[in-house]
Amino acid sequence: DGGITQSPKYLFRKEGQNVTLSCEQNLNHDAMYWYRQDPGQGLRLIYYSQIVNDFQKGDIAEGYSVSREKKESFPLTVTSAQKNPTAFYLCASKRTYQETQYFGPGTRLLVL
Amino acid sequence: RKEVEQDPGPFNVPEGATVAFNCTYSNSASQSFFWYRQDCRKEPKLLMSVYSSGNEDGRFTAQLNRASQYISLLIRDSKLSDSATYLCVVILDRGSTLGRLYFGRGTQLTVWP
Repeated sequence: DGGITQSPKYLFRKEGQNVTLSCEQNLNHDAMYWYRQDPGQGLRLIYYSQIVNDFQKGDIAEGYSVSREKKESFPLTVTSAQKNPTAFYLCASKRTYQETQYFGPGTRLLVL
Repeated sequence: RKEVEQDPGPFNVPEGATVAFNCTYSNSASQSFFWYRQDCRKEPKLLMSVYSSGNEDGRFTAQLNRASQYISLLIRDSKLSDSATYLCVVILDRGSTLGRLYFGRGTQLTVWP
């Protein structure tokens, strides 16, 4: 089955800790995205990558980092510099020159 | 000013009702428009694209008014399963490979029996 997987479904972070959210796709999509959703808010773009080994900051990149070493994978690290990390994190991907983005099931990050 | 504005609702309607959602966008250069559906605690899924001529998919009709920078979604004969949050989405740069999406905060719909 082709699709986007995110893990874990729930993640708990302690103060001062870095945590990494996984995003994998087997759709052969070139572009991948990370969004953050807060209650009652629209999705906000954190980082995006159009090709392997290249990525760009979105609107709210501070306190986050990413890598794109493989086409299928686009992990997001929430660093200790992100002071308000509690949110629903969504990964998405799409083919180059197509408009529709497909989303993974999301990861809920909670701060202990 | 936000790129995309939506009335957050909530809209509470009985089964069989017709309900309409509106959305405005701020950038006149916006190229492509969509409605996504998001169920509670789930990921957004594409409901339908919105074309200048208007388009219909079963009970759902989407309209675009470029002059007023306004998008609408009409749901006829509401079903319990239509209960969800509906996200208005805009792309500014259709010509680029980025395909950057701008999301409204969503309009919550509850259909009751």
